Amino acid sequence: AQSVTQLGSHVSVSEGALVLLRCNYSSSVPPYLFWYVQYPNQGLQLLLKYTSAATLVKGINGFEAEFKKSETSFHLTKPSAHMSDAAEYFCAVIVNQGGKLIFGQGTELSVKP
Amino acid sequence: DTGVSQNPRHKITKRGQNVTFRCDPISEHNRLYWYRQTLGQGPEFLTYFQNEAQLEKSRLLSDRFSAERPKGSFSTLEIQRTEQGDSAMYLCASSLGLAPNQETQYFGPGTRLLVL
Repeated sequence: AQSVTQLGSHVSVSEGALVLLRCNYSSSVPPYLFWYVQYPNQGLQLLLKYTSAATLVKGINGFEAEFKKSETSFHLTKPSAHMSDAAEYFCAVIVNQGGKLIFGQGTELSVKP
Repeated sequence: DTGVSQNPRHKITKRGQNVTFRCDPISEHNRLYWYRQTLGQGPEFLTYFQNEAQLEKSRLLSDRFSAERPKGSFSTLEIQRTEQGDSAMYLCASSLGLAPNQETQYFGPGTRLLVL
């Protein structure tokens, strides 16, 4: 079965600092991975996705993620945090049959001024 | 088309009542998904449609839950005899139904249900 695990339910950084949100996957087949962001009382917005075309994936709002097969990881990074980045972030893997998404438990990012 | 829409955005009901939620997907999307998100958790898959056909249902979808997509466009999710444990955010997503490496699901704003 495919699954993702997000390490750290809460991450706090200072404005301007590096953001690193961790995601590890488990899959017996090549995984296709996603990062979504959720602002309070809103739905999920796609940040970026890995589809095997390139291991370093660039997304919106300055975020990027690197697929590392040897580490079964797909960590999300941003060089410099902005106050507007404060939100909940979800890593997800798509199941080949039917295309449903399996989500991690989420990481809440706080940005301190 | 501005994206996936869901109505109502909020619903408060008493235990034992029935509730129905509606989702309008992006117009050209033939797949429609329902997820449930409880506080502090990631969304969990409930069911999905390919056009009007309901192709998969999660074990989370008890007999009290039913979903329809009668004409392959909008979908409804009904919960009968609501229980306090049904309190959650119900999210709808739609997609073109492409191969997994080409697929992107677009989410609506969700319907937040509170069962008293």
